[in-house]
Amino acid sequence: QLQLQESGPGLVKPSETLSLTCTVSGGSFSNDYYYWAWIRQPPGKGLEWIGNIFHSGSTYYNPTLKSRVTMSVDTSKSQFSLRLTSVTAADTAVYYCAKRQSRFCSGPSCSGDYNWFDSWGQGTLVTVSS
Amino acid sequence: DIQMTQSPSSLSASVGDRVTLTCRASQSISTFLNWYQQKPGKAPRLLMYITSTLESGVPSRFSGSGSGTEFSLTISSLQPEDFATYFCQQSYSIPFTFGGGTKVEIK
Repeated sequence: QLQLQESGPGLVKPSETLSLTCTVSGGSFSNDYYYWAWIRQPPGKGLEWIGNIFHSGSTYYNPTLKSRVTMSVDTSKSQFSLRLTSVTAADTAVYYCAKRQSRFCSGPSCSGDYNWFDSWGQGTLVTVSS
Repeated sequence: DIQMTQSPSSLSASVGDRVTLTCRASQSISTFLNWYQQKPGKAPRLLMYITSTLESGVPSRFSGSGSGTEFSLTISSLQPEDFATYFCQQSYSIPFTFGGGTKVEIK
């Protein structure tokens, strides 16, 4: 059973950098059908995809955050990380790491490469405040 | 970006009720639609992917349908453990986007 666990500071000052790490256990980190993702949820609000990284280090970021986001991967430790610079109160949220499963489907009701988030960490609340 | 709109934003229902939640995409996303359930203080849990494929371990009272821009998640007989917030998510194009959620409450 794949498990993901976020770690990092729960409080970050405005204009500083938020840094989180996700440790993956119980499964293959370098599977070619897995992408590793960060998703956040402001208190009482919906979910926002931040981006994801492949075990090779290739990344996809949400354009709304792209200028401030950097993701990295350490396959030797089965970890991936998030850095978000110049944070403001609007970045206060529960940050989740998740596994994005990718699969090709061809049939009566599907055609193409499909993706979904099937394993999630418990989430970590990061508050931006002085 | 593809906007996902869920309706209603909340509903009240009783145990045993049949409940249908709706999700609309701002453009056609074929069947690139996933559903998640979230309980307070917990991470989302995948229920359904590729519109209608049930994730392993999810009860068969959950079903999904739709294509293009209109999708639905149906719970055939609501159980006490189903009271939660449900999110849809499109995987047709990056950035992946989620709906605002439908909160299912006890009547």
